[in-house]
Amino acid sequence: QKEVEQDPGPLSVPEGAIVSLNCTYSNSAFQYFMWYRQYSRKGPELLMYTYSSGNKEDGRFTAQVDKSSKYISLFIRDSQPSDSATYLCATEILTGGGNKLTFGTGTQLKVEL
Amino acid sequence: NAGVTQTPKFRVLKTGQSMTLLCAQDMNHEYMYWYRQDPGMGLRLIHYSVGEGTTAKGEVPDGYNVSRLKKQNFLLGLESAAPSQTSVYFCASSYSTSVGDGYTFGSGTRLTVV
Repeated sequence: QKEVEQDPGPLSVPEGAIVSLNCTYSNSAFQYFMWYRQYSRKGPELLMYTYSSGNKEDGRFTAQVDKSSKYISLFIRDSQPSDSATYLCATEILTGGGNKLTFGTGTQLKVEL
Repeated sequence: NAGVTQTPKFRVLKTGQSMTLLCAQDMNHEYMYWYRQDPGMGLRLIHYSVGEGTTAKGEVPDGYNVSRLKKQNFLLGLESAAPSQTSVYFCASSYSTSVGDGYTFGSGTRLTVV
């Protein structure tokens, strides 16, 4: 079992829809939770991060963490074609040897006109 | 533009050949990482470095070696390439253990071993 599980999709939605992307994780020691966005043939870029359970909002994006159920979500409101990308969730443990991320496999999202 | 630069962008190798992938960052980041990305497997950490002259093994280090002789450069070597090493390789760097800084990724090297 992978430490971070993510539905690979692809997920196709019409423009303006609300998108829900989800991950589950198994290690209760994970401290930080992130979402990265990866456009085709590009490297991932950090979209949002959260530390505690609850919601964090940034414009049209809302990240949600439920530590009790080990569940991570990203919501995208009023989705745009420019949101079409692969979304990777990631978790992190800080150690004396440097922070290391564990990534989900990514969910491919396509927002259609 | 500041960031992480990977060279080459594409490469085709024959089984048994060797090559070195170069990663350079100009953000004065302490930490650097090499990942490989495969369909259905996600990003997997190969090796990483927490500072100049240091390296450590990640999740999938076998068949790879690394060196960090200068703070700004992190090299990934394949001594004897195998078809299983066909992948997209990403280098990343980070300033510190502060998660808010995130990782800055390069645009990747697409390697095919035939």
